[in-house]
Amino acid sequence: GENVEQHPSTLSVQEGDSAVIKCTYSDSASNYFPWYKQELGKRPQLIIDIRSNVGEKKDQRIAVTLNKTAKHFSLHITETQPEDSAVYFCAASIQRDDKIIFGKGTRLHILP
Amino acid sequence: DGGITQSPKYLFRKEGQNVTLSCEQNLNHDAMYWYRQDPGQGLRLIYYSQIVNDFQKGDIAEGYSVSREKKESFPLTVTSAQKNPTAFYLCASTSLGASYNEQFFGPGTRLTVL
Repeated sequence: GENVEQHPSTLSVQEGDSAVIKCTYSDSASNYFPWYKQELGKRPQLIIDIRSNVGEKKDQRIAVTLNKTAKHFSLHITETQPEDSAVYFCAASIQRDDKIIFGKGTRLHILP
Repeated sequence: DGGITQSPKYLFRKEGQNVTLSCEQNLNHDAMYWYRQDPGQGLRLIYYSQIVNDFQKGDIAEGYSVSREKKESFPLTVTSAQKNPTAFYLCASTSLGASYNEQFFGPGTRLTVL
């Protein structure tokens, strides 16, 4: 079955700098890759996703890149702000499949 | 925060007791899921259901049970057989008819065994 590895587990960056979180997946049939943000004590919420027919997707300060050959995808946050502090989860699934597999999460700290 | 709800928000259980966590959604979603979240462990799938009266085990189903008698509801019972039930439990749902399967999460139930 699918396995998703996520790195790093913890990341601290200065406010205003960029943050990058990387994930790898094992099942080449996976074609949908969402990213979720979970603030302390709250529910995970989708922040961006990408499908396998696209190499990069951007939404304001957030971007995701996908390399299907290498089976890895990354989340990039530019101009980080205090409200970006949270746990971020990557995930992978086969479109219209019955479940998605999550990485273990990255705790992002934005330092003042 | 409408759409998918969980209750209670906090739950305390004595050892040896079964407890049931509620999950309800009014999104007309076909599939529903239960995850367990422990620090540093990410989201681990307990059970999921794609259709009424049917459900499948996830990666950590032992000590848990579910039912899906209605499309809107997917309660999770944590039985006394679950050796370490203290955790944050998240319910999620998705529409299988969509072109992609974004999962929507409930607010979670924090279970503590006393």
